[in-house]
Amino acid sequence: GEDVEQSLFLSVREGDSSVINCTYTDSSSTYLYWYKQEPGAGLQLLTYIFSNMDMKQDQRLTVLLNKKDKHLSLRIADTQTGDSAIYFCAESMGDDYKLSFGAGTTVTVRA
Amino acid sequence: NAGVTQTPKFQVLKTGQSMTLQCAQDMNHNSMYWYRQDPGMGLRLIYYSASEGTTDKGEVPNGYNVSRLNKREFSLRLESAAPSQTSVYFCASSIRSKAGGSNTGELFFGEGSRLTVL
Repeated sequence: GEDVEQSLFLSVREGDSSVINCTYTDSSSTYLYWYKQEPGAGLQLLTYIFSNMDMKQDQRLTVLLNKKDKHLSLRIADTQTGDSAIYFCAESMGDDYKLSFGAGTTVTVRA
Repeated sequence: NAGVTQTPKFQVLKTGQSMTLQCAQDMNHNSMYWYRQDPGMGLRLIYYSASEGTTDKGEVPNGYNVSRLNKREFSLRLESAAPSQTSVYFCASSIRSKAGGSNTGELFFGEGSRLTVL
């Protein structure tokens, strides 16, 4: 959706950290999400952050939220070949759980 | 647990033909959604159903109709297919339609239906 923007491609060396950035527009979003899509598959929720949090860590994943700038990032530590996928940023819209998605960032992990 | 099941997985249509994409979920979810995915544009919401018996337009509803047949099933119909409707279609479901409580609003997606309109 046009309300969520993210870069389209990221190439990272195996073992390095990946950082995917996203900007959103709806300041009333309750939750912000990162979904992962592997080739030929549907999207699966990777992680989410509640809007009153600044940071959330889940194993190799770190989500940072800057509400003032409406900026969300996902950091993947020690990136592996299995992390190659498309990553979508999404925000909840208003009071309904309709999600608005970004265009997706294709992450390619090279040896 | 099957989750969200979509059929068919692949379909080729000629311009003007009609077809229905079927979706069923076995998680007792209240809300169901149809999205389309196009390169460089992410997922765009076509229609959604907040609860059984209700449907609402999303961002790109033109050329589509939906039916929430019961709590489990939500179908998407193309009455007269156009090449612009060539896309990958995803059905999704969520346990509830309104924010609040402990629910995070996670959407559960099917594997997608790839439609080509010639």
